[in-house]
Amino acid sequence: EPEVTQTPSHQVTQMGQEVILRCVPISNHLYFYWYRQILGQKVEFLVSFYNNEISEKSEIFDDQFSVERPDGSNFTLKIRSTKLEDSAMYFCASMTELGNIQYFGAGTRLSVL
Amino acid sequence: AQSVTQPDIHITVSEGASLELRCNYSYGATPYLFWYVQSPGQGLQLLLKYFSGDTLVQGIKGFEAEFKRSQSSFNLRKPSVHWSDAAEYFCAVGFTSGTYKYIFGTGTRLKVLA
Repeated sequence: EPEVTQTPSHQVTQMGQEVILRCVPISNHLYFYWYRQILGQKVEFLVSFYNNEISEKSEIFDDQFSVERPDGSNFTLKIRSTKLEDSAMYFCASMTELGNIQYFGAGTRLSVL
Repeated sequence: AQSVTQPDIHITVSEGASLELRCNYSYGATPYLFWYVQSPGQGLQLLLKYFSGDTLVQGIKGFEAEFKRSQSSFNLRKPSVHWSDAAEYFCAVGFTSGTYKYIFGTGTRLKVLA
């Protein structure tokens, strides 16, 4: 069964460093998403991406965040200068063009020290 | 504003016992409703969904959920829990505001006693 793949599973970084979280969505999906879950809190929507551009971003998704689909398979989330409060689990999801079901990866746990 | 509430953060049940995980939502129309499960090191796996029609929906792994519009609830049930069901369970609402996206509840962590 096709699945969404996220790498790395755990990323440790120093405050102020740039990180790139990577995702390989399901191949025929056209909508891509990033969500995050701070420990003990809800899974929150960050950004949606369609047709090579951001469809919507939440208020969390400030100028430090960016997303990119650099080739036909990868979908990345970059945090330019990490803060302690960026420590969280980040989930990537994808969805078909006509669907309502999002398929999630296993997540990347980001720890900012 | 849309919201999803899972009142129980932790639930512990004995193996073989029945299970009900609660989910309440706030949304102006009938939403798309989902339950996902996350086992350690795994992604969010879809257990079941409700879009319309029969309000009792069956999912994988023997789970079912019932949509009750009057109570704005979508509770997840299983008649007999297995040790392998120990995981975190998330209720989610899919809706379009701007673009289509999910709102999740805080999750319920299930512990199963042998």
